[in-house]
Amino acid sequence: ETGVTQSPTHLIKTRGQQVTLRCSSQSGHNTVSWYQQALGQGPQFIFQYYREEENGRGNFPPRFSGLQFPNYSSELNVNALELDDSALYLCASSQPGTENSNYGYTFGSGTRLTVV
Amino acid sequence: AQTVTQSQPEMSVQEAETVTLSCTYDTSESDYYLFWYKQPPSRQMILVIRQEAYKQQNATENRFSVNFQKAAKSFSLKISDSQLGDAAMYFCAYRYMEYGNKLVFGAGTILRVKS
Repeated sequence: ETGVTQSPTHLIKTRGQQVTLRCSSQSGHNTVSWYQQALGQGPQFIFQYYREEENGRGNFPPRFSGLQFPNYSSELNVNALELDDSALYLCASSQPGTENSNYGYTFGSGTRLTVV
Repeated sequence: AQTVTQSQPEMSVQEAETVTLSCTYDTSESDYYLFWYKQPPSRQMILVIRQEAYKQQNATENRFSVNFQKAAKSFSLKISDSQLGDAAMYFCAYRYMEYGNKLVFGAGTILRVKS
């Protein structure tokens, strides 16, 4: 098992710019979820992708969008960056039917995005 | 909507002692799953323990155990024989079973372990 890999690990962007974050899911997992974790807070669900389709979305504006590719890797795109978008972005992969097992969700180490 | 509350922003424990982290949640569902995750400085979320709501028996994983009180909607984590490696941020999470199967996290508790 390769685990979940996220890139880049750190990123600094200017307000108004666009950013793309990437996530490679764990081998055998076909579902990817993205979370935003502001400093000192718990992660907040952004959206989930299953078989290349969005399969659930949290309370985030449309400028947060995503893609999932045939190999189940995923991208998170954020347009028109705002200062409040500064956060750790976590990706988690899972396999439907096993989310409640001890090996359900596998998280990456995140991308730290700073918007200046 | 489901909410998860962790009322202890920070806790400290002496090495080899026992500490309990609190978590309460609100839900209208009768069947659900609860989790405790550990987030060390490496930032990766690591599953510590999970509890199925329909099971009466409290989950146990080595030094980690939970006290699950379904009627009170309480889900506390007990760490026995605390070790320096247990120092981390701990998050309680609820698995939202509807569209998206998202996890709802609490705000977290920083656990410090003193040697």
